[in-house]
Formats: sequence, structure tokens, C-alpha cells
Amino acid sequence: DAGVTQSPTHLIKTRGQQVTLRCSPISGHKSVSWYQQVLGQGPQFIFQYYEKEERGRGNFPDRFSARQFPNYSSELNVNALLLGDSALYLCASSLEGQRGEKLFFGSGTQLSVL
Amino acid sequence: QKEVEQNSGPLSVPEGAIASLNCTYSDRGSQSFFWYRQYSGKSPELIMSIYSNGDKEDGRFTAQLNKASQYVSLLIRDSQPSDSATYLCAVTGKGFKTIFGAGTRLFVKA
Repeated sequence: DAGVTQSPTHLIKTRGQQVTLRCSPISGHKSVSWYQQVLGQGPQFIFQYYEKEERGRGNFPDRFSARQFPNYSSELNVNALLLGDSALYLCASSLEGQRGEKLFFGSGTQLSVL
Repeated sequence: QKEVEQNSGPLSVPEGAIASLNCTYSDRGSQSFFWYRQYSGKSPELIMSIYSNGDKEDGRFTAQLNKASQYVSLLIRDSQPSDSATYLCAVTGKGFKTIFGAGTRLFVKA
């Protein structure tokens, strides 16, 4: 079975542009979480979605938004990119999005903002 | 105070030794605790989960949880060079978000 897949793997954008990152969860998993990881730091929670509903949001500005589709795949959108948005964006899926469920991560999208 | 705190290291141990990694958390209502391993340039992978006080063993790995002290640890016995990675402590508290520490870099010297 395929694991969590993310696309694209690498992306280069310039300040002020907008970007969309995509994620497909493990088959049968209904919850998707998004994390931002800056080099040398742990993943920072951005969003969690379950059954197309936002269940949790981290301390990120409104420039960050996400959605989940009926097939449980998800998109993360970032508007008005800043240099500080350069990071590895990780998607993780879990079965039901319940507390205590294990997260399974995709290989990430490396975003560089110039 | 950070929600999940880890010593950033690096922690260096000789091959065959026990590596001890520590983590503290601030939310007393936290219920689920995890250790993830992240190799350089790769994404995190789950290696241990623990939900109740005490020890949980899985092969060479032992996770320890003390909720009264808000403390989680990971012991790696018979450390191998292939264990060299960053180890991330993660905690799920109130709500549905899982919070990660900054990670401890471990080097196992052959």
C-alpha cells in the first residue's frame, strides 16, 4: 500500500507569490495534519482536518489556509509568501484523527522563497 | 515555557552503549506521547508510543513516562551507528494537535 504522498517535492517561489501544496493520505485514513519544519527545529503544527472539517489550527497567520476533499486528500495554501515561509512542509495522516493516534508522515515539500 | 522541551544535543555515544533521550512537557492534561526518529533530509517516522505511566519496551527501545513529573524518556540499548538521527518527542494534549519538541541529535560513534 502507498504511504502518504505529497507533491511537489521541491518548489521555488518569490516573495508575494502564492503556493499550493498537495497531500494524499494512506488509504483508509480520514485525517490529515499539516506541519512546517524549519531546519534545526521540530515540526510546527499548522492544521488538522478530519472529514473535511478543520479540527485544529496552530499559531500561523491567516495567509495559511487548507482544505480537505471528499477523498480525504488535502491542500495547503500559502498566500503572500515571505522569506520566512521557506521550510519543509510535512503532511501526516492518521486513521480517525483522534487524540493519541499515530501520525504517518509523507516525505514533505521543500519550499524555498526567494 | 515551550510546550515540549528537549535537549538539542548533540548527544554522542559509542557503539554498543545506551543512549538516553529526555523530554518534558508543560500541559498536565496531555494523554499521548510519542518518539519519532528523523534522519537528515527525511521525514519523521514513529518508533514508540506510550500512554500510561511506566516503561514500554520494543526491541532495543524503551520509552518511559512519568506524568507526575511531566517527563518522557527514550532509552536505546546497544546503540548502532544507524541509530544516528534526530529524535523528536511529541505530545498530544487537549484538542487534537500533536506538538513536537525541537529534537535531540544523536551520534553513535563506531
